[in-house]
Amino acid sequence: TQLLEQSPQFLSIQEGENLTVYCNSSSVFSSLQWYRQEPGEGPVLLVTVVTGGEVKKLKRLTFQFGDARKDSSLHITAAQPGDTGLYLCAGAVKDSNYQLIWGAGTKLIIKP
Amino acid sequence: NAGVTQTPKFRVLKTGQSMTLLCAQDMNHEYMYWYRQDPGMGLRLIHYSVGEGTTAKGEVPDGYNVSRLKKQNFLLGLESAAPSQTSVYFCASSQGKWRQPQHFGDGTRLSIL
Repeated sequence: TQLLEQSPQFLSIQEGENLTVYCNSSSVFSSLQWYRQEPGEGPVLLVTVVTGGEVKKLKRLTFQFGDARKDSSLHITAAQPGDTGLYLCAGAVKDSNYQLIWGAGTKLIIKP
Repeated sequence: NAGVTQTPKFRVLKTGQSMTLLCAQDMNHEYMYWYRQDPGMGLRLIHYSVGEGTTAKGEVPDGYNVSRLKKQNFLLGLESAAPSQTSVYFCASSQGKWRQPQHFGDGTRLSIL
């Protein structure tokens, strides 16, 4: 069974702080996506990373794909209440006919 | 621009009842998916379709059936609902294969008593 583990499962911090969430697996991914989900809504894609070592920035969010394409991280600088949500990573695995493997998510709360 | 629309948004069923969840997308996407989301378990793929008239099993297909008679619609059926099927169900669509971004509906919250 292929697993994609996210950590931490829950994070509550004050506005202005920095944070990093992680997505790890023993599997090699052909690509990895990060989504954000707000209560009562479906996930919305933030970014897709494809190349090992790749770094992508989306305003205050920085996404990194591990060199071996087995892990990824999301770093948020100066978090704001609008960043509150459930962050999900999903990897495409070649051996699974490119089916997406989803992590359980990191629930992030940013307090004003 | 509606994107992906799911109906109904909420439903309560009794064990053994049947129902159909409806999903419609207006983006002309070839691929469509049905997921269930349970606390602490992430999204699990139930069934998917790579085009009109095609369906395939995902990770957790037992107890569910699907149909894709029209490109824009993907239906998920529960023939005999069980309490274990209590969950939030999401439909998604994408332009191409798994690497392409998936566009999600807002979900159907289903409770089986």
